[in-house]
Amino acid sequence: NAGVTQTPKFQVLKTGQSMTLQCAQDMNHEYMSWYRQDPGMGLRLIHYSVGAGITDQGEVPNGYNVSRSTTEDFPLRLLSAAPSQTSVYFCASSYWTGELFFGEGSRLTVL
Amino acid sequence: GQQLNQSPQSMFIQEGEDVSMNCTSSSIFNTWLWYKQEPGEGPVLLIALYKAGELTSNGRLTAQFGITRKDSFLNISASIPSDVGIYFCAGSEEDFGNEKLTFGTGTRLTIIP
Repeated sequence: NAGVTQTPKFQVLKTGQSMTLQCAQDMNHEYMSWYRQDPGMGLRLIHYSVGAGITDQGEVPNGYNVSRSTTEDFPLRLLSAAPSQTSVYFCASSYWTGELFFGEGSRLTVL
Repeated sequence: GQQLNQSPQSMFIQEGEDVSMNCTSSSIFNTWLWYKQEPGEGPVLLIALYKAGELTSNGRLTAQFGITRKDSFLNISASIPSDVGIYFCAGSEEDFGNEKLTFGTGTRLTIIP
């Protein structure tokens, strides 16, 4: 049972480049979300989805896009990377409770 | 947005000691959760609390949902080396919901040999 799978695990981008962080879960969870983790700031919610075709913004959505075409996948797109987006990104999924299952994280550096 | 104050920020203890940490919010939460994160990994759920006053245990871990609904506490008894990590509280205003889960800044636990 793979759980929540994130790819890539590491990525280096130049300012202005775009990329997509992939997230897939095999637990048939309706709820999926993306968080970023920065030193001393805990995890902050970027975007979330309560089901296929439904997405909404979290606390820090600027510079990121998401879509949810299937229950399993929830990709996060960086439109034009900036150094301020250097962070560790976590995808999470759950049923309807707050009991999130997290992926192992994607470490992004923007130069 | 919501603010969660978690304390202490770090703890240095000896193996066998008990640990206490807490989390307070600026508003009322209906769900409190505690997660643990180890280096290079994503957070893992330890305990979930859904009712004010609720006291729930998971092995040597015990967490409480404060009666004011603005705080929560986590205790670890008789710490062991594998308890090392960062502990996060998280809360939601939703009933059993997770749409807007807010995380604390974490308590880093180190065990001194």
